[in-house]
Amino acid sequence: AQKVTQAQTEISVVEKEDVTLDCVYETRDTTYYLFWYKQPPSGELVFLIRRNSFDEQNEISGRYSWNFQKSTSSFNFTITASQVVDSAVYFCALSEFPGGYNKLIFGAGTRLAVHP
Amino acid sequence: KAGVTQTPRYLIKTRGQQVTLSCSPISGHRSVSWYQQTPGQGLQFLFEYFSETQRNKGNFPGRFSGRQFSNSRSEMNVSTLELGDSALYLCASSSGGTGNTGELFFGEGSRLTVL
Repeated sequence: AQKVTQAQTEISVVEKEDVTLDCVYETRDTTYYLFWYKQPPSGELVFLIRRNSFDEQNEISGRYSWNFQKSTSSFNFTITASQVVDSAVYFCALSEFPGGYNKLIFGAGTRLAVHP
Repeated sequence: KAGVTQTPRYLIKTRGQQVTLSCSPISGHRSVSWYQQTPGQGLQFLFEYFSETQRNKGNFPGRFSGRQFSNSRSEMNVSTLELGDSALYLCASSSGGTGNTGELFFGEGSRLTVL
């Protein structure tokens, strides 16, 4: 069975601190997709990144970076120099490939509070 | 480009009633997925429709059903409502192509309260 675990329920940081959100996944599939989504207070989930299981390269996008390690089944997300606008709930998710299409298995989410 | 529109945004029903929620995807998107979000169970996949066909289904009872129309708009229906059906129901649209798998655009949701 597929499962996504986000062990950190809530994280509180002061602006400009770096913060890492952990994500550990379980799947029997050899090919799959991993995702991160952000849910700000307004409620709408926003897509941040997709990574397929063949590609273990880390990715950086501005202040955001992602570290995918197949050996530890982890897909961690780091925000550098956090800002108040980063305050949101962040979800890690998994989808089987092929056939999973848009059926995503979400983790419980990590609530990030960035204080001025 | 208009985003995903869900109606109604809020509704209150009583146990045993049924409810229909509507979702208009982004223009040109052919896939609509539905998710249920609750404090206890988190985000759970209900079903996905692509070109009017159900492409995937989650582990929900038959009381939960959906459909998609030729214009890609989608509805989901919950019959014989139970207290546990109280949740935020999120609709997400995507182009539906395998190259965009999982890249979903979510609506603001329909918050259902069952009394």
